[in-house]
Formats: sequence, structure tokens, C-alpha cells
Amino acid sequence: DAGVIQSPRHEVTEMGQEVTLRCKPISGHDYLFWYRQTMMRGLELLIYFNNNVPIDDSGMPEDRFSAKMPNASFSTLKIQPSEPRDSAVYFCASSVAGGRADTQYFGPGTRLTVL
Amino acid sequence: QKEVEQNSGPLSVPEGAIASLNCTYSDRGSQSFFWYRQYSGKSPELIMFIYSNGDKEDGRFTAQLNKASQYVSLLIRDSQPSDSATYLCAVNTGGGADGLTFGKGTHLIIQP
Repeated sequence: DAGVIQSPRHEVTEMGQEVTLRCKPISGHDYLFWYRQTMMRGLELLIYFNNNVPIDDSGMPEDRFSAKMPNASFSTLKIQPSEPRDSAVYFCASSVAGGRADTQYFGPGTRLTVL
Repeated sequence: QKEVEQNSGPLSVPEGAIASLNCTYSDRGSQSFFWYRQYSGKSPELIMFIYSNGDKEDGRFTAQLNKASQYVSLLIRDSQPSDSATYLCAVNTGGGADGLTFGKGTHLIIQP
């Protein structure tokens, strides 16, 4: 079975442009998570969904960030307008509820560079 | 605010020795604890999870949890050069699939 799929793998854009990151979770998984990783702040949870519904978006840094999950197999994270400080690796992860310690499977990440 | 603290390292261990990685957390409500391994330029992958006080062993890996001290550790026996990576400690306070709070990771180097 394919793992979590993210696209694009690399994105270079200029400040002020809109950026859209995409994620396809593992089939059958009902939780989807967006994380951001930087050297300074480490790996941070931005938002997560359960059955396509956003559950906790307290990690979304600003109104410039938005995330959607229109169906069980697709999610987007949008940054508009982008700023240089948004440069990071953005990971999508998915899991299936089934116990106290559900394993989150991470996608390969999107490396975003905002110039 | 939930915090997870790890020594950033690098932690250098000779091949064949035991590597000991440590993690403390601030939220006493934390219920589940995870160790992820991340190779440079790659995504995190789960090594082990633990939610009961004591030790949990899986092959060369042992996770240890002490909720009273808010302390989690990971021991790697018979360390191999392929174990060289960054190890991320993560916790969640929910009983199921909450988002995780990660430490910044410990960079482990196994010297051949």
C-alpha cells in the first residue's frame, strides 16, 4: 500500500505569492495531521482533522495559513501571502484510530523556500 | 503550554555500546509517549511507543517511562552505524489520535 503522498516535494516561491501544499493520506486512515519543521522550532503541529473535520487548529501560526480536507483522500495547506519566515519542511501524517497509541505515518514532506 | 525537552547533542557512542536518549515533558496529563527516528532529509518514522510506567522492549530498543518524574528514555543496545540519526521524543495528552508535541530531537552518532 502506498504511504502518505505529498506534493510538491520542493517549492521555491517569492514573498507575497500563494503557496498550496497537498497531501493524500493512507487509504482507510481517519486522522490527518499537518506539521512544520524548522531548525529553530523543531517539529510543530499546525492542525489536524478527524473524518475530514478540523479538530484542533491552535497551531496554525497566522490567518495567512489555512487548511482544508474536502474528502477522505485529500487535504491542502495554503499560505497566502507567503513570507520568508514560512520557509520550512511541511509534513503531512495520517493515522487510524484504534487505541491509546495510534501510529502516525509521515509523508516525505514538502521543502518550502520563500525568497 | 506543553513542552518536551531533549538534549540536542550530538551524542557520540561507539559501535556496539548502549546509546541512552532522554526526554522530559511538562504536561502531567500526557498519556502516550513515542520515539521517532529521523534520518537527515527524511521524514520521522516511529520506533516505539509506551504508555505504562516501566520498561518496554522491542529488539535492540527499550523505552522507559517514569510518569512521577515526567521522564522518558530510549536505550539502544548493540548500537550500529545505521542507528546514527536524530531521535525525536513525542507525547500526546489524549487517549487516542491527538496531535503530537515533539521535542527538538537528539542527534545520535554511532562511531564505527
